[in-house]
Amino acid sequence: DARVTQTPRDKVTEMGQEVTMRCQPILGHNTVFWYRQTMMQGLELLAYFRNRAPLDDSGMPKDRFSAEMPDATLATLKIQPSEPRDSAVYFCASGLDISYEQYFGPGTRLTVT
Amino acid sequence: AQSVTQLDSQVPVFEEAPVELRCNYSSSVSVYLFWYVQYPNQGLQLLLKYLSGSTLVKGINGFEAEFNKSQTSFHLRKPSVHISDTAEYFCAVSDQGLTGGGNKLTFGTGTQLKVEL
Repeated sequence: DARVTQTPRDKVTEMGQEVTMRCQPILGHNTVFWYRQTMMQGLELLAYFRNRAPLDDSGMPKDRFSAEMPDATLATLKIQPSEPRDSAVYFCASGLDISYEQYFGPGTRLTVT
Repeated sequence: AQSVTQLDSQVPVFEEAPVELRCNYSSSVSVYLFWYVQYPNQGLQLLLKYLSGSTLVKGINGFEAEFNKSQTSFHLRKPSVHISDTAEYFCAVSDQGLTGGGNKLTFGTGTQLKVEL
C-alpha cells in the first residue's frame, strides 16, 4: 500500500530556530505539493513541484520559507527563522499530473514557542 | 482563477439519517471536481472525483456526488450516515491545467460533519 510519508510527525521548537520538514512522495508520482493547515486560514498551498522543478511557490513567504526536491524521492520544506505564527500542520501530497488526484501524507504538526 | 464555496462550516446529523454537504464553485474554464475527507489527526483522503462522463459519481464509504454544470455545484450525499463518518469534508476544483496552473487544486474551507447517536 503506497503512501506519502512525512517526518517528523510532531515538532516543537523555539522562535528563531531552523525547522526542516521532509516528505517522501509515492514512488512514480511526478508532482509534489506542500500545504499548510490552520484553523484560521484553512488549507493553503505553499509550493508545487512537477518533475522536481518548482512550478508555483506564490503561497510561500519567501523571506523565511524554502522548498526543494533534491531528488525524486525527497521533498523538503525549510523555515528559517521560525516564528510563532508558523505554528500549523504542514501536509505534503503527491500525484501524477495526468490524473489530478493528490495523495496526502499524515502531516507534520509544528509548534513554535 | 477558481474558487470553491462550502457554505456550511458544520453539519450535525443523527446516525442513519441522510446528509448533503454543499459545494459550489466558480471558474471561467471547465473544471475537474473532487471531495476529500479528513479524519482527526490525519491527512486528506480522496472520497470521489468527477473528471468527465456521468454527472453522478460514486465514491468510497457509500458517498456520492452530482455535478451540476448549470448550478456550478458538486454536492456530496450519503443516504444513511454512520458514527464513523464524523470528519471534515473538503470540496476541491482543478482547472484541468487550462490556465497554466498545472494540476493544482483549489480547496474549499471545509465542512465538519458530526454524526450523533
